[in-house]
Amino acid sequence: AQSVAQPEDQVNVAEGNPLTVKCTYSVSGNPYLFWYVQYPNRGLQFLLKYITGDNLVKGSYGFEAEFNKSQTSFHLKKPSALVSDSALYFCAVRNSFSGGYNKLIFGAGTRLAVHP
Amino acid sequence: KAGVTQTPRYLIKTRGQQVTLSCSPISGHRSVSWYQQTPGQGLQFLFEYFSETQRNKGNFPGRFSGRQFSNSRSEMNVSTLELGDSALYLCASSGGQGFTDTQYFGPGTRLTVL
Repeated sequence: AQSVAQPEDQVNVAEGNPLTVKCTYSVSGNPYLFWYVQYPNRGLQFLLKYITGDNLVKGSYGFEAEFNKSQTSFHLKKPSALVSDSALYFCAVRNSFSGGYNKLIFGAGTRLAVHP
Repeated sequence: KAGVTQTPRYLIKTRGQQVTLSCSPISGHRSVSWYQQTPGQGLQFLFEYFSETQRNKGNFPGRFSGRQFSNSRSEMNVSTLELGDSALYLCASSGGQGFTDTQYFGPGTRLTVL
């Protein structure tokens, strides 16, 4: 079965410090990986995706993610955190084995808290 | 381009009633997917419509149904509401042409069942 794990329920980081939100996946075949962010009472906003090619993917708002095939990971990173980055972050995967073109399989989410 | 819009944003219903939620995709997008978000189960895929046809379905009971119109707008319906149907219902649209497409989400409809 296809699955995504976000091992940390919450990540705390001081403003200005680098942040990492972890994601590991288990899929058959090649994974297509996505990161979304959700602010309170809002829908999901797309941050970035990995399809193929360069393992380091750059996305919106200064976020980037590193795809590691051997560790089946796709960790989200940002060099310098902002208080406004505080939100709920979701990792998701999709591929030909996940049940359909637009069936995203999501992790449970990680709450990021950036302290001033 | 305008984003995905969902109406209504908030809804309160009682057990046994039915409800219809609406989603308007980004202009030009032909695929609309629906997800249910709850604290206990997280984000779960309900179904996807592409060119007015249901292309994929998640593991939800038949009380959950949907449709898509020729202008790609979609509705989902939940009949005989149960307390456990209280959730944020998210709609997402994409071009629908492949696994690498990005899905863009609307703000959601918060359904509360009393």
